[in-house]
Amino acid sequence: NAGVMQNPRHLVRRRGQEARLRCSPMKGHSHVYWYRQLPEEGLKFMVYLQKENIIDESGMPKERFSAEFPKEGPSILRIQQVVRGDSAAYFCASSAGVVENEQFFGPGTRLTVL
Amino acid sequence: DAKTTQPNSMESNEEEPVHLPCNHSTISGTDYIHWYRQLPSQGPEYVIHGLTSNVNNRMASLAIAEDRKSSTLILHRATLRDAAVYYCILRVNYGGSQGNLIFGKGTKLSVKP
Repeated sequence: NAGVMQNPRHLVRRRGQEARLRCSPMKGHSHVYWYRQLPEEGLKFMVYLQKENIIDESGMPKERFSAEFPKEGPSILRIQQVVRGDSAAYFCASSAGVVENEQFFGPGTRLTVL
Repeated sequence: DAKTTQPNSMESNEEEPVHLPCNHSTISGTDYIHWYRQLPSQGPEYVIHGLTSNVNNRMASLAIAEDRKSSTLILHRATLRDAAVYYCILRVNYGGSQGNLIFGKGTKLSVKP
């Protein structure tokens, strides 16, 4: 059973460009979470999705950021008009349920904005 | 989620046991205690979780105080590969949709050969 997959692993964008980060959850998992880790800081929750639904986006910046988890295909975290402050590691996790079920994390996408 | 307090860093010698403490004085009766760790340049990794009773798995043991206001993650024989940041997290049991993890600063464990 393959683990959580994220691509690309490294992404370089210039200010103003768009960044699209992909996450394929573990087989059988319908819950996906996105977290962001700024340099030298802890992980911060961004958004929680189930298939085709956003359950909790309380950690997502109100502008420029969006996420989706379509019926078919990976979950996408999209950042429009990137700024230098968006440079961070973005981790995706998946789980089979909530609360007691562990979350399985991917290797992350390291975004660098020039 | 309720807040947890951990030491910023700890050191251990290889092959010795390590006890990583966590205080969670505002824990409520249905909060689960989860531990994750993050190795350098990797995503977090689940270690163990519990509710009231002590728990053991192949990676570690979790000792939970009787009043549940604190817990201790025990690595029985530290190896160099255990060097990581260890996070103690409380997960609220709403029985509903709230499922995200709230990470604090964690404890950075260094293991000396």
